[in-house]
Amino acid sequence: DVKVTQSSRYLVKRTGEKVFLECVQDMDHENMFWYRQDPGLGLRLIYFSYDVKMKEKGDIPEGYSVSREKKERFSLILESASTNQTSMYLCASNPGGNPEAFFGQGTRLTVV
Amino acid sequence: AQSVTQPDIHITVSEGASLELRCNYSYGATPYLFWYVQSPGQGLQLLLKYFSGDTLVQGIKGFEAEFKRSQSSFNLRKPSVHWSDAAEYFCAVIPFTSGTYKYIFGTGTRLKVLA
Repeated sequence: DVKVTQSSRYLVKRTGEKVFLECVQDMDHENMFWYRQDPGLGLRLIYFSYDVKMKEKGDIPEGYSVSREKKERFSLILESASTNQTSMYLCASNPGGNPEAFFGQGTRLTVV
Repeated sequence: AQSVTQPDIHITVSEGASLELRCNYSYGATPYLFWYVQSPGQGLQLLLKYFSGDTLVQGIKGFEAEFKRSQSSFNLRKPSVHWSDAAEYFCAVIPFTSGTYKYIFGTGTRLKVLA
């Protein structure tokens, strides 16, 4: 089975902190994604990566950056956390030739 | 604008009753279509998907969905709901023109099941 693992289920950070959310997949997938989930808004794409060191902005990239130094790992970075970034963050991956994505368990981030 | 619409934010049904969750999309060509379920505090689990072929798709947990091109719809159904089906359900599409399979999600429908 494909496994997408997010390093933390719950995080509490202070305003202004630099925050790293880590995601690792074990199936050599080319594509990896970071989504943000908020009530009533569904999931919105923050960034995605289609190869090592390659990235593209999604629909809501402001306040975020990403890093993909190795194929299996995709990190989401909040340069200076703000309270409006309190949310559930979901990582996903899929292989290049298959539309189906596999999701991690999510990280619930609270910024205080 | 391209979008995915789930018109029902909340639905409540009694255990054993039938269920239909609606999903409409607005894209020119038929996209790839998915239904995911999310239990509280969990990630997303794929229920079923439609890429092409038979328009009635069977999924896990007794769910099925029917693609109707004329209505741009992909509604999810279950003939008899169980209490464990209480969760949030997301319809998602990948536009056919998407080169990297980026999902567009609906806003979700939260299902409550009465005993």
